[in-house]
Amino acid sequence: AQKVTQAQTEISVVEKEDVTLDCVYETRDTTYYLFWYKQPPSGELVFLIRRNSFDEQNEISGRYSWNFQKSTSSFNFTITASQVVDSAVYFCALSGHGSGNTGKLIFGQGTTLQVKP
Amino acid sequence: DADVTQTPRNRITKTGKRIMLECSQTKGHDRMYWYRQDPGLGLRLIYYSFDVKDINKGEISDGYSVSRQAQAKFSLSLESAIPNQTALYFCATSDLGRERGYTFGSGTRLTVV
Repeated sequence: AQKVTQAQTEISVVEKEDVTLDCVYETRDTTYYLFWYKQPPSGELVFLIRRNSFDEQNEISGRYSWNFQKSTSSFNFTITASQVVDSAVYFCALSGHGSGNTGKLIFGQGTTLQVKP
Repeated sequence: DADVTQTPRNRITKTGKRIMLECSQTKGHDRMYWYRQDPGLGLRLIYYSFDVKDINKGEISDGYSVSRQAQAKFSLSLESAIPNQTALYFCATSDLGRERGYTFGSGTRLTVV
């Protein structure tokens, strides 16, 4: 079975601090996709990144960076120099691509990030 | 216009009432999904559909039904709403050949009183 675990329920930091959101996944598929989404207080889901299982290169986009490690089944997300606008719920998600794949996107429980001024 | 449109955006209904949440898309995707979000539980899959004739239960389908009226439309019904169905509901489409893979609607916030 596929599973995504975000062990950090809530994180509170002061503006300009760096913060890392952890994501651990389980899957038997050899090909799969990992995602991060941001959910601001308004409620919509904002796509941040998609990673394919065969591409372990880390990704940096501005203040955001992602560390994908297949050896530990982790896909962690780091915000550098956090800002108040980063306050949101962040979801990690997994979509398998094996035999019988249904394309279902499996979400972690979410991590609520609060950035204080 | 949004690629995936959900109506209504907000709804308050009474226990026992039948309610339908609607989803329409302009992405041209075959695959559509309904998710439910509860605090601390993330998003959980209710139903999914690969095309008009292919509808499947997700992990929490009890108390819900769906209808895929056309490729572009996928509706979720609560036959007899109960308070623990109060949640934020999302519709999504997918095409893993595209960069983002999944496109989500803006959500429907449903309150059952």
